[in-house]
Amino acid sequence: AQSVTQLGSHVSVSEGALVLLRCNYSSSVPPYLFWYVQYPNQGLQLLLKYTSAATLVKGINGFEAEFKKSETSFHLTKPSAHMSDAAEYFCAVSGRNTGFQKLVFGTGTRLLVSP
Amino acid sequence: ETGVTQSPTHLIKTRGQQVTLRCSSQSGHNTVSWYQQALGQGPQFIFQYYREEENGRGNFPPRFSGLQFPNYSSELNVNALELDDSALYLCASSLATAGRNEQFFGPGTRLTVL
Repeated sequence: AQSVTQLGSHVSVSEGALVLLRCNYSSSVPPYLFWYVQYPNQGLQLLLKYTSAATLVKGINGFEAEFKKSETSFHLTKPSAHMSDAAEYFCAVSGRNTGFQKLVFGTGTRLLVSP
Repeated sequence: ETGVTQSPTHLIKTRGQQVTLRCSSQSGHNTVSWYQQALGQGPQFIFQYYREEENGRGNFPPRFSGLQFPNYSSELNVNALELDDSALYLCASSLATAGRNEQFFGPGTRLTVL
């Protein structure tokens, strides 16, 4: 079975500060890992994904994440927060085989950005 | 390229009624997945359709059912609605190819059960 744990239901930062959102995964098989962002009353938008090429993955809007197998982590970072980054962020895991795949999501972390 | 669309945007039903939610997948995608997102929670997998057949299901009762059509659009049907069915229902489309587990989500349908 696969699962992800997101540490911290809320993270508050000041505009211009470093953003760090934590995600730890559990998987019996090599995983694919994803970060999605959800703005109020909207669906999910893919920020970035890890599919076993480079361990440091760069995504949209200046976000990046690093896959660390030894720590079973896939934390999301952004060097400088912007007000428009305020949203809910979800980490998700899936297996790698073809055919049936589902995403298993964490409970989400709400990012609050203050001026 | 057309993204994933869902209809309706919002829906209010009463307990015991039935509801049908619709999803049009992204152009070129042959797989549709449905997720339920309760307030303050992460999305939970309901089921997935590939080439008009259900090929995976989460921990949801049989009153949650679906269809996929030859054009890869999809429906989610929920019978005998319960108050706990109130949630945002998300549809995601993808291309079932090796190494391509990336799912693209629609804006969702907000279902309220009174």
